[in-house]
Amino acid sequence: GQQLNQSPQSMFIQEGEDVSMNCTSSSIFNTWLWYKQDPGEGPVLLIALYKAGELTSNGRLTAQFGITRKDSFLNISASIPSDVGIYFCAGSSSNDYKLSFGAGTTVTVRA
Amino acid sequence: GAVVSQHPSRVICKSGTSVKIECRSLDFQATTMFWYRQFPKQSLMLMATSNEGSKATYEQGVEKDKFLINHASLTLSTLTVTSAHPEDSSFYICSVQGLGNYGYTFGSGTRLTVV
Repeated sequence: GQQLNQSPQSMFIQEGEDVSMNCTSSSIFNTWLWYKQDPGEGPVLLIALYKAGELTSNGRLTAQFGITRKDSFLNISASIPSDVGIYFCAGSSSNDYKLSFGAGTTVTVRA
Repeated sequence: GAVVSQHPSRVICKSGTSVKIECRSLDFQATTMFWYRQFPKQSLMLMATSNEGSKATYEQGVEKDKFLINHASLTLSTLTVTSAHPEDSSFYICSVQGLGNYGYTFGSGTRLTVV
C-alpha cells in the first residue's frame, strides 16, 4: 500500500490539554479515516472523511481532510485519561478500497 | 457501520500445526473483507483481500499457500495459518468494508502465539 507519514510518533500530555496529530501521503486519497486502538483490541473508527476540505467533529475530536487530498489532521480537545491509546490514520484511494495505515501516535495522558 | 465478530481472541499452537481464525459480519453482507497483521508496537499491514465467492488477492510478500483465506458466504471469512512457525506469532485483525459513509469496521483481533 501507499506510505503514510504520521506524526508525532508519541506524546505525553497533561490532562485538559489539546492534542494534535497529522498524516501526510505522497499519493492522493479519496478517504481518510482516524482510528484509536487500545491494547489487545482491534482499531475503532473515530472519524471518517470523504471530501477534500471536509472538517468533521465527533465530541472532543475534530479531523480534517486536507484540500490537497494528501494530508489529514486529528485534534483532541481537553484531553482526559481515557484518551490514552494509539491513534492511527488510514487512507484509501477509490480504485482498490484498500487501507494504508500510518505508523501510529501513542498518546499518554498525565493526570 | 458493520458489526464484526472475530474468533478466537487468543490462540496458542505448536509449531507445524494449523490455526483457523474466523471473521463474521453480523449485520451486513460483506462481499469484501480484509485481513491484517500487526506485530508488537507496529502498524497494521494488509495481508490480503477476501472476496466472497472467488479467490483472495494477496499483498506482495504474503504467501498464499501459508495463509489460506476462504470467503464462502457473505458473512464469514476465514484465515488459516498453515504449518505455523514462531515467526507467525502476531496479532491478526479482519475488517469489513461498509457501505457509503460507514468506513471500515474492524474485528477485535486474534493474538496468535506459536510455540
